[in-house]
Amino acid sequence: DTGVSQDPRHKITKRGQNVTFRCDPISEHNRLYWYRQTLGQGPEFLTYFQNEAQLEKSRLLSDRFSAERPKGSFSTLEIQRTEQGDSAMYLCASSLRGVSSYNEQFFGPGTRLTVL
Amino acid sequence: DAKTTQPPSMDCAEGRAANLPCNHSTISGNEYVYWYRQIHSQGPQYIIHGLKNNETNEMASLIITEDRKSSTLILPHATLRDTAVYYCIVRVESPGNTPLVFGKGTRLSVIA
Repeated sequence: DTGVSQDPRHKITKRGQNVTFRCDPISEHNRLYWYRQTLGQGPEFLTYFQNEAQLEKSRLLSDRFSAERPKGSFSTLEIQRTEQGDSAMYLCASSLRGVSSYNEQFFGPGTRLTVL
Repeated sequence: DAKTTQPPSMDCAEGRAANLPCNHSTISGNEYVYWYRQIHSQGPQYIIHGLKNNETNEMASLIITEDRKSSTLILPHATLRDTAVYYCIVRVESPGNTPLVFGKGTRLSVIA
């Protein structure tokens, strides 16, 4: 257990439905990242936050995806009008941006999404 | 960030050293080499990182060639729990903690 939790662990939905995932980072970590991983591939970066500010979004993050971190603590990732191509593992990671040059990212267990 | 090349899969006998190679021939002078691993159904886990010198921690050793174009991650006494996908990543180490760029990694199977 890394201290990063994600909920739910599994989600099955029908095409066209909206889904929302939650990530709770390690409490003192100010950086939070979302990645997506499809079968046989490494994780791909989606977006990240420093505190409540969303600093970068990948081109993978289409208009149907939105992420928030309203109070700089937990984060949510919402997918609207899901498509079968959205089926993947969604991973959350957190790190502490400090004065040292490197702080490792701690990953949660992921939320596996299946779109039927 | 520079790209890396890793073999898709490797086997290792339990108790023996596992040596996982990574080629990063286009690495820049300010880019570090990182290793993460991902055990089945879990998120990736940080293992080790380095710039030029060899590094060792409680999990593994990292050997970087003098020209920095390749490196090897060494698990000195592999156990069945080391079966995982291992990712070699090169990136600029900055205070910003930039997102990680993963390739396909090497699937290591430790065999009893």
